[in-house]
Amino acid sequence: DTGVSQDPRHKITKRGQNVTFRCDPISEHNRLYWYRQTLGQGPEFLTYFQNEAQLEKSRLLSDRFSAERPKGSFSTLEIQRTEQGDSAMYLCASSEGLAGYEQYFGPGTRLTVT
Amino acid sequence: KNQVEQSPQSLIILEGKNCTLQCNYTVSPFSNLRWYKQDTGRGPVSLTIMTFSENTKSNGRYTATLDADTKQSSLHITASQLSDSASYICVVRSGGYNKLIFGAGTRLAVHP
Repeated sequence: DTGVSQDPRHKITKRGQNVTFRCDPISEHNRLYWYRQTLGQGPEFLTYFQNEAQLEKSRLLSDRFSAERPKGSFSTLEIQRTEQGDSAMYLCASSEGLAGYEQYFGPGTRLTVT
Repeated sequence: KNQVEQSPQSLIILEGKNCTLQCNYTVSPFSNLRWYKQDTGRGPVSLTIMTFSENTKSNGRYTATLDADTKQSSLHITASQLSDSASYICVVRSGGYNKLIFGAGTRLAVHP
């Protein structure tokens, strides 16, 4: 399968714990995006990478959130000291080249904070 | 504020019937508008993409329209199938780096 993959698909954690999610984009795509989607809502932009450079972060991305894309390939999203409000689906998408190219989404990681 | 609003919030139709979903947007600058289908627990999958100059675009049983003057779009589904049950999300691209603004989606349920 050459699509965007995310791991894990589901994560249940206790409040206060740290969690890390991984996204593997389509191999030739140099742009990678993270979104958060809560129940009944559309995805909300969190952050965006071009190659290894993180070019924009949403105000939604508090200081407990950090994202990396160390070699311009896979990316990780870490949430420290999780809160119940962090419970959501975290979606990763990738696209190639210039702005306007199609974003292809992964299946998402569903996070539940108890 | 850039916003994308969709209606109805949810819809139930019988298999074989047609339906139309609505999207209104206040996004500037406008680059293009997409409709995505999102199955439960899955990531969104693109159905159509329309630029400022396009009025209608079809993808099988899905037909999207765009009125850039009134900033409205619709997605018409013909001869619905059970597999059409999903959320349909209207998405507007604004800006140069592919920033997408998502609507909340319309949850469609097709019943036999």
